[in-house]
Amino acid sequence: NAGVMQNPRHLVRRRGQEARLRCSPMKGHSHVYWYRQLPEEGLKFMVYLQKENIIDESGMPKERFSAEFPKEGPSILRIQQVVRGDSAAYFCASSPTGDQADTQYFGPGTRLTVL
Amino acid sequence: QKEVEQNSGPLSVPEGAIASLNCTYSDRGSQSFFWYRQYSGKSPELIMSIYSNGDKEDGRFTAQLNKASQYVSLLIRDSQPSDSATYLCAVRLAGNFNKFYFGSGTKLNVKP
Repeated sequence: NAGVMQNPRHLVRRRGQEARLRCSPMKGHSHVYWYRQLPEEGLKFMVYLQKENIIDESGMPKERFSAEFPKEGPSILRIQQVVRGDSAAYFCASSPTGDQADTQYFGPGTRLTVL
Repeated sequence: QKEVEQNSGPLSVPEGAIASLNCTYSDRGSQSFFWYRQYSGKSPELIMSIYSNGDKEDGRFTAQLNKASQYVSLLIRDSQPSDSATYLCAVRLAGNFNKFYFGSGTKLNVKP
């Protein structure tokens, strides 16, 4: 049973470019979360999605950031016109429904570097 | 005020000792509490979850929850150098069924 998959693992972008981060949840999981982690800091919640629905995006910056979780395919976190302050590790987590919905399993993360 | 607060450390303990990690939270209605371990450059890994007041033990790990005082702790018995990592406390807030807040983590260093 494969775990949460994220790609790419490392992404380098120049200021002004777009970054696309992908997350495939564990098999059978329908909840996806995105977090950002700056060096020496904790995880900051960004967005919570279910298939084809954004449930809670209160942690997402209002501009340049968007997320989707289509019916088919991985969840995508998209950052337009990246700036140096976007450099961070971005983690995706998934959870099942029902009694185990509290349990989040994390992917390996995508480390974004903006030059 | 942050939703979840932890002492950043580092907390240094000798091998074989008990490591005690603490976490406080601000929302009195919080219902679910978690401890994650994160090695440098790696993703968080769930260690323990606890939902009711008291202690919950799993191997060398014991989670303690005191809702009246709004704190959660993690005890690691017989600490090993391989336990050296950052430990993140996470809380699911009341009214936000699937929204979690994480503390900034406590760095633990177990010295051989």
